[in-house]
Amino acid sequence: DAGVTQSPTHLIKTRGQQVTLRCSPKSGHDTVSWYQQALGQGPQFIFQYYEEEERQRGNFPDRFSGHQFPNYSSELNVNALLLGDSALYLCASSQTAYEQYFGPGTRLTVT
Amino acid sequence: AQSVTQPDIHITVSEGASLELRCNYSYGATPYLFWYVQSPGQGLQLLLKYFSGDTLVQGIKGFEAEFKRSQSSFNLRKPSVHWSDAAEYFCAVGATNDYKLSFGAGTTVTVRA
Repeated sequence: DAGVTQSPTHLIKTRGQQVTLRCSPKSGHDTVSWYQQALGQGPQFIFQYYEEEERQRGNFPDRFSGHQFPNYSSELNVNALLLGDSALYLCASSQTAYEQYFGPGTRLTVT
Repeated sequence: AQSVTQPDIHITVSEGASLELRCNYSYGATPYLFWYVQSPGQGLQLLLKYFSGDTLVQGIKGFEAEFKRSQSSFNLRKPSVHWSDAAEYFCAVGATNDYKLSFGAGTTVTVRA
């Protein structure tokens, strides 16, 4: 049984560009959450998707947007990249909202 | 709002010695509590969780944690540490109708031979 998968593994972008990160949830899971983990810090909640709708959002600007597809996979889009957006982006899936299983993450570097 | 404090930034322990990592949370109702482990460059692996019931919970890799409501704590323990336990450990809290997990800043564990 495959766990949560994310792509790409690493990504380098320039300030002002846009990026799309992808996540496939664990089999049987219908809820996807996205977190940002800056170096040396704990993950910070960006938003959660359920039934193709954003169910809850953390304290992140509108530059961060997402989407969930009918097969429960999800995308995270970040527009107008800033240097401060450099981080590990983690996707977590769950069958209930609370017990979340994390993928390996996408390391985004903005130069 | 929920918050999580992990007072120890870095702990060094000898292989075979016991380990205890502290976690304090702030939340009005009974929280859902989790411990995750993260190896360098990796995602988070769920070690154990507490939702309700028995306050001593067992997890994977020989870890256990105890929920103490009176102290607002959920400390993680392992009786005998292995070199492979060197990693960063995160305590997280969730709550009913609040779907996010709030994480502590993490504790880095170094295991010396």
